Amino acid sequence: NAGVTQTPKFRILKIGQSMTLQCTQDMNHNYMYWYRQDPGMGLKLIYYSVGAGITDKGEVPNGYNVSRSTTEDFPLRLELAAPSQTSVYFCASRLDSTEAFFGQGTRLTVV
Amino acid sequence: DAKTTQPTSMDCAEGRAANLPCNHSTISGNEYVYWYRQIHSQGPQYIIHGLKNNETNEMASLIITEDRKSSTLILPHATLRDTAVYYCIVFGSSNTGKLIFGQGTTLQVKP
Repeated sequence: NAGVTQTPKFRILKIGQSMTLQCTQDMNHNYMYWYRQDPGMGLKLIYYSVGAGITDKGEVPNGYNVSRSTTEDFPLRLELAAPSQTSVYFCASRLDSTEAFFGQGTRLTVV
Repeated sequence: DAKTTQPTSMDCAEGRAANLPCNHSTISGNEYVYWYRQIHSQGPQYIIHGLKNNETNEMASLIITEDRKSSTLILPHATLRDTAVYYCIVFGSSNTGKLIFGQGTTLQVKP
């Protein structure tokens, strides 16, 4: 049982490039989340999903897209990367009203 | 979504109890109080949660006031490894699925 796995751990992007941050969980959790955390700040919710095929915007969705075609995977897509998207990205999952489990994060730098 | 208010930062001497307060005056009857912590930019880690009764586990104790408008997380014998950002969140089945984090409390445990 690996929990929540995020790849890659680190990435440097050039302005205008695109990339997909991968998140997968093997706990059969229905809820999945993407957060970003800027230096010295708290976690901000980007997108979340309540189950396969269902996604919704969080607090800071602009510049990002998500999909949830399977229960296990919840990729986050960055189109036209900007320096403002330099951040640490965390994926999380949970089952109904239980506690959330987090991945170890993806550190993204846009230059 | 119910919101929480926490002090920005606190200090605690090593070996002493750390008491971290949280106000959640708009909490609904079916919403739980959850506590997480984040050590040194790792993914947040679940600590404890409760509805209205006090709870204790191997990591901490949670004291919820009778009116449920506030709670206190207690680390009974703080160690240097407990230095972290502590987040208090309220969440329940009435939520849409969003899991929103506030700024949390930065606890500094000092020798």
